[in-house]
Amino acid sequence: SQTIHQWPATLVQPVGSPLSLECTVEGTSNPNLYWYRQAAGRGLQLLFYSVGIGQISSEVPQNLSASRPQDRQFILSSKKLLLSDSGFYLCAWSVAASGNTIYFGEGSWLTVV
Amino acid sequence: KQEVTQIPAALSVPEGENLVLNCSFTDSAIYNLQWFRQDPGKGLTSLLLIQSSQREQTSGRLNASLDKSSGRSTLYIAASQPGDSATYLCATLIGSWGKLQFGAGTQVVVTP
Repeated sequence: SQTIHQWPATLVQPVGSPLSLECTVEGTSNPNLYWYRQAAGRGLQLLFYSVGIGQISSEVPQNLSASRPQDRQFILSSKKLLLSDSGFYLCAWSVAASGNTIYFGEGSWLTVV
Repeated sequence: KQEVTQIPAALSVPEGENLVLNCSFTDSAIYNLQWFRQDPGKGLTSLLLIQSSQREQTSGRLNASLDKSSGRSTLYIAASQPGDSATYLCATLIGSWGKLQFGAGTQVVVTP
C-alpha cells in the first residue's frame, strides 16, 4: 500500500533562518506531488506541484521554493523565513490509477518567531 | 476561477442525529470532487471521491452526492457519533492533475 511521510512534524524557526521540509511517498511510482499551506483561520492554499522529477510549478509568489530530486521525494525550502511563513504545511500525492484521489501527509507545523 | 463554499461553517448535533454538510462550487467543469476530514492539528484524511460522471459515492455511514449542473455536493453522515467530531472539507479538482480548490470547511461537534 502507498504511504506518505513528512518531516519534521513541528518546527520553530527564527525570522531569517532557512527552512527545509521533506516529503517522501512509498508504494507508487511517478506520482503527482503537491505542497499546500494552511494558515491560521484560512483555507488550504496550493503552493507548488510537480508532475515529474525536476518539474516544479509555483502557484503563488513567495520566498519559498520546492524541489523534486527523486521520483518520490518533494522538498520545500526557504533561504530566509518571514513571520508570514508560519502555518501548517501539507504534502500530498496523487496518481491517475487511483482516480486522481489526492492523499495528504500528516503535516508540518512551522512557527516563525 | 473556481470558488468553493461550505455552509454551515460550524455545526453541533447530539449523538445519533444525521449530519448534512453542504458544498457549492462555481465552475461545473470539474474532474472530481473529494471530501476530507481533518482532526485538530492533523493532516487531511480522504473520505470520499466522486468522479464528474458519478452522482454519488457511499462508504459505510457516509454518502456523498454530486450535482454538477447546480454546482453542489452534499455529504451525509448517518447516525453521528462523538468520534465524527472534526472539520470536514470539500475540494474540487479541475483537470486530471491540477490543483484542488478547497472550501473553508465545516467544523462538526457531535455531543454525547
